[in-house]
Amino acid sequence: KNQVEQSPQSLIILEGKNCTLQCNYTVSPFSNLRWYKQDTGRGPVSLTIMTFSENTKSNGRYTATLDADTKQSSLHITASQLSDSASYICVVSAHSGAGSYQLTFGKGTKLSVIP
Amino acid sequence: ETGVTQSPTHLIKTRGQQVTLRCSSQSGHNTVSWYQQALGQGPQFIFQYYREEENGRGNFPPRFSGLQFPNYSSELNVNALELDDSALYLCASSLGRDITLGANVLTFGAGSRLTVL
Repeated sequence: KNQVEQSPQSLIILEGKNCTLQCNYTVSPFSNLRWYKQDTGRGPVSLTIMTFSENTKSNGRYTATLDADTKQSSLHITASQLSDSASYICVVSAHSGAGSYQLTFGKGTKLSVIP
Repeated sequence: ETGVTQSPTHLIKTRGQQVTLRCSSQSGHNTVSWYQQALGQGPQFIFQYYREEENGRGNFPPRFSGLQFPNYSSELNVNALELDDSALYLCASSLGRDITLGANVLTFGAGSRLTVL
């Protein structure tokens, strides 16, 4: 069964500090991995998308890494801001052909940035 | 360029009733996918529509059905509502048949929050 596990479940950090969120997956056949930011009461917004051959991708203060061998990804947030408070969701795509498309979402890590 | 809009934003139904949720896709997008997000959980893929045909489905029973119209807007219908159907229902639009392709960025709406009593 395809699964995506995220840790920690929740995290509180001080404004200006860095943090790293983790994502482990058992999805096959792997197509790509995405990180989304979801503000409370809003839909998710894409941060990064990485395919099998990419092991790091940045979007401003967000840097995602991917180790396809160990099936792990991380999202590193640098110099956190109050507006970074949100849930961060890891999504892994599988594509087994013949029109079979699957997106498996993690439960998310709820990040709170405090002054 | 308009984003993805969903309606209604909130609604309350009772067990056994039927509900229809609506989604207008982003301009230029031809694929719509639907997700159920229970409180404190990640979204779960329900199904997707490409050019008015369903071409991918998650582990949801047949009482979850949908439509896509020629203008690429979409509806999600849920029959015989159960208490566990209470959730935020998200719609996402994208360009291209395969939503799993890395090049296909999903644009999500803000969701419709359904409460079943």
